[in-house]
Amino acid sequence: DQQVKQNSPSLSVQEGRISILNCDYTNSMFDYFLWYKKYPAEGPTFLISISSIKDKNEDGRFTVFLNKSAKHLSLHIVPSQPGDSAVYFCAAKHPNTGGFKTIFGAGTRLFVKA
Amino acid sequence: EAGVTQFPSHSVIEKGQTVTLRCDPISGHDNLYWYRRVMGKEIKFLLHFVKESKQDESGMPNNRFLAERTGGTYSTLKVQPAELEDSGVYFCASSLRGGTSYNEQFFGPGTRLTVL
Repeated sequence: DQQVKQNSPSLSVQEGRISILNCDYTNSMFDYFLWYKKYPAEGPTFLISISSIKDKNEDGRFTVFLNKSAKHLSLHIVPSQPGDSAVYFCAAKHPNTGGFKTIFGAGTRLFVKA
Repeated sequence: EAGVTQFPSHSVIEKGQTVTLRCDPISGHDNLYWYRRVMGKEIKFLLHFVKESKQDESGMPNNRFLAERTGGTYSTLKVQPAELEDSGVYFCASSLRGGTSYNEQFFGPGTRLTVL
C-alpha cells in the first residue's frame, strides 16, 4: 500500500510560469513532509520541507503548502526555470520511526520549456 | 567535503548470481540508510543503521538481502541469489546524529542493478 501518492507522472510548464506539483498521503500520523529533487544519474537532493503544524513554508522560488484535512500537499515553483527540469519526489516521515525512515512517492517529472 | 559515494554505478548479473553493493557515507554521519527504486516507482526504504547497528530493517524484502556496516563506516548490501525482481536502483543515504523529524538525509548517486 502506497502511503504517499504522486498521481501525475509528468508535468510540462513554460519557462517563467508557475509549476505546481501535487502529493497526497494516507497516514494522518505523518508529522513531517519533504520534497526532493532528482536529476538523471544523481541521487535525490533535499529541496524544502514542512512540519505538520504549519500550512506553508517558503524558500525563494519554492513554496510548499500543506492541507492536513485533505491530506494533501503541493510544491509551487515560481517562476519556473529550465534548470528546474527534474524528477520531484514528495516524502513523509512518521514520528514512530524517530524521524529516520522516509516514505517517498513515485515522483513527478517536471519539464520546463524555454 | 565528499558526498555519499556508491560502488559500482551499474551492475548487470544473471539470475542466481550474487552481487554486493557498497556505500561510503559522508564522514561523521552515524546514520546510514538503504533505499531502492524499482521501475520508476516510489523510492522504498530498506533499512537504517546507527553506526554498526541495524536500527530498522523493516523494509528488507526477504532473507536474500544482507546488509552490513562493519566498524560503523562503509556499508555493503549483498543480494544472494539475485532474482529478476531485484532489478532497480539502490540508493544509499546518510545523516548526522539526531532523531528529530528534520534529519536531512544526503543521498548517493545510486547503483543500477540489472538482473537478467
